[in-house]
Amino acid sequence: GQQVMQIPQYQHVQEGEDFTTYCNSSTTLSNIQWYKQRPGGHPVFLIQLVKSGEVKKQKRLTFQFGEAKKNSSLHITATQTTDVGTYFCAGYASGGGADGLTFGKGTHLIIQP
Amino acid sequence: NAGVTQTPKFQVLKTGQSMTLQCAQDMNHNSMYWYRQDPGMGLRLIYYSASEGTTDKGEVPNGYNVSRLNKREFSLRLESAAPSQTSVYFCASSERGWGSSNQPQHFGDGTRLSIL
Repeated sequence: GQQVMQIPQYQHVQEGEDFTTYCNSSTTLSNIQWYKQRPGGHPVFLIQLVKSGEVKKQKRLTFQFGEAKKNSSLHITATQTTDVGTYFCAGYASGGGADGLTFGKGTHLIIQP
Repeated sequence: NAGVTQTPKFQVLKTGQSMTLQCAQDMNHNSMYWYRQDPGMGLRLIYYSASEGTTDKGEVPNGYNVSRLNKREFSLRLESAAPSQTSVYFCASSERGWGSSNQPQHFGDGTRLSIL
């Protein structure tokens, strides 16, 4: 079945440094979504990417969808303590059967002040 | 607007006991989902319901049953709880039916379940 791999599993940064998490799928995706989960909280939708090569920005966050629609990345510029949490990508492959969205295992962002 | 409401928030069970986790959404969404979240494993889909009256297995359905009671409510039942089912359980809903995931999933606050 479809697999979505996300790296790194953990990332420690100093406040103000940049952060990037990468998501790779074993199959071509129709679209990919990104979620953020604060410690002790629930996943919250951030954005969806649909088009090959698409780039979207939300303030300090930049999301990219690969040309082959098999990979994606989330980059945070100048991290702040409010960015702490786990970032998940979730890919959808049309015709992929009953699995629907397949979530990566997430990247835990830890920020040291 | 409450969104997705899960009850209970915490529960401790003994091995072999049964219980039902409740989930209700007030966004008029067609699709509802149950996930479990374990350390290092991300979110794994247990069951989903594309629309009222339909349910389908996800990645890890063994040991669970579900009921889509109506459009608003989707419950998850553990018939005979096992320690391996200790986890955080999230219910989610989305606007469109099965076959299109072009709308975001909205998650409840989760149920933290411990089985001794």
